[in-house]
Amino acid sequence: EDKVVQSPLSLVVHEGDTVTLNCSYEVTNFRSLLWYKQEKKAPTFLFMLTSSGIEKKSGRLSSILDKKELFSILNITATQTGDSAVYLCATANAGNNRKLIWGLGTSLAVNP
Amino acid sequence: NAGVTQTPKFQVLKTGQSMTLQCAQDMNHEYMSWYRQDPGMGLRLIHYSVGAGITDQGEVPNGYNVSRSTTEDFPLRLLSAAPSQTSVYFCASSYVGTGLYNEQFFGPGTRLTVL
Repeated sequence: EDKVVQSPLSLVVHEGDTVTLNCSYEVTNFRSLLWYKQEKKAPTFLFMLTSSGIEKKSGRLSSILDKKELFSILNITATQTGDSAVYLCATANAGNNRKLIWGLGTSLAVNP
Repeated sequence: NAGVTQTPKFQVLKTGQSMTLQCAQDMNHEYMSWYRQDPGMGLRLIHYSVGAGITDQGEVPNGYNVSRSTTEDFPLRLLSAAPSQTSVYFCASSYVGTGLYNEQFFGPGTRLTVL
């Protein structure tokens, strides 16, 4: 059965810290891995990763995929209180690349 | 451009009642889907559609019906509400293109409580 596991489940840091969120997966015929950010509303898209070793970057956020070891990490540097959210990881397989398998998320709290 | 809209934002039902959650998008997306999100369970796919007239089941379809008569609208019907259907419901849409994957845009959600 396809599954996506995120760790840690929750994390509390201080502003300015750097955090690393983990997402491991077991997916038949893997196609892509996606990261979303969910504040107290709908998830919003951050990154899509399809190839190993190629970093995607947006401001203080970056992410990389390891298709050999079947995981991805999401890094946030110089965290701010506005980064407080649940970060969701999802995978798509080639059979139906819109039928996503979701992890439970990592709840990040950034304290001032 | 409103994106994905959902109504209502909140709803309380009694067991056995039926209702329809509305979802509309104005981005001309072919793909639309319904998820429910529960604590400790993550996002679970209920039903999805790849175009008008085409629907399919997701992980947790029991107790829900959908139809897709237009590209814009994808209503979710609860046939006979049960307390187990208490959840937050999200509608999402994306293009069906030739790319590897097309970003899914989510609506603001409907918080449903079944007593």
